[in-house]
Amino acid sequence: GESVGLHLPTLSVQEGDNSIINCAYSNSASDYFIWYKQESGKGPQFIIDIRSNMDKRQGQRVTVLLNKTVKHLSLQIAATQPGDSAVYFCAESFNTGGFKTIFGAGTRLFVKA
Amino acid sequence: GAGVSQTPSNKVTEKGKYVELRCDPISGHTALYWYRQSLGQGPEFLIYFQGTGAADDSGLPNDRFFAVRPEGSVSTLKIQRTERGDSAVYLCASSLKPGPYEQYFGPGTRLTVT
Repeated sequence: GESVGLHLPTLSVQEGDNSIINCAYSNSASDYFIWYKQESGKGPQFIIDIRSNMDKRQGQRVTVLLNKTVKHLSLQIAATQPGDSAVYFCAESFNTGGFKTIFGAGTRLFVKA
Repeated sequence: GAGVSQTPSNKVTEKGKYVELRCDPISGHTALYWYRQSLGQGPEFLIYFQGTGAADDSGLPNDRFFAVRPEGSVSTLKIQRTERGDSAVYLCASSLKPGPYEQYFGPGTRLTVT
């Protein structure tokens, strides 16, 4: 993913609304995609993943959509809560003999009460 | 249960010094990853271990960086002749087995090179 330096893209939503965070990935060979949540001072926390043979996967209050044609990934959060405020990263993973994971630049989500 | 732990949580060192950063993965996890995260950016892949061997070290920026995992559990990231540009949070993650599986991250070590 392309770095945006100190200024992360920001999404501000009202508590209770749905949030959609978008991500473009770069490698056509990527076959595993993951969304992570990172709160200040902590390591990234796994939210949901999807493999390249799927286009949609649902978890608890979260849905990931994968469009391989345009190399686009999105995370939908239903009924966004103040505790969802964090930086969200998409990541793509592909087999290099090992399994290399490349993170995007991140989106900061603010939830207004 | 215990998650991934990293020590120290903070390390301040002078330019030119040698540092070691330690990662204790979740017990039984065979895959271990190191990442570096600069302020406002996503984690940057450094190296991936499968057991004791480095399966992919293509992310190590130069030969001042080296990592080991001698017994397939604890890993140490070693940085020689530190430079101010090495300042970042160094993250470690582990997963149960190699491949496309959930990675569990530690809290990171914040390295500051003065």
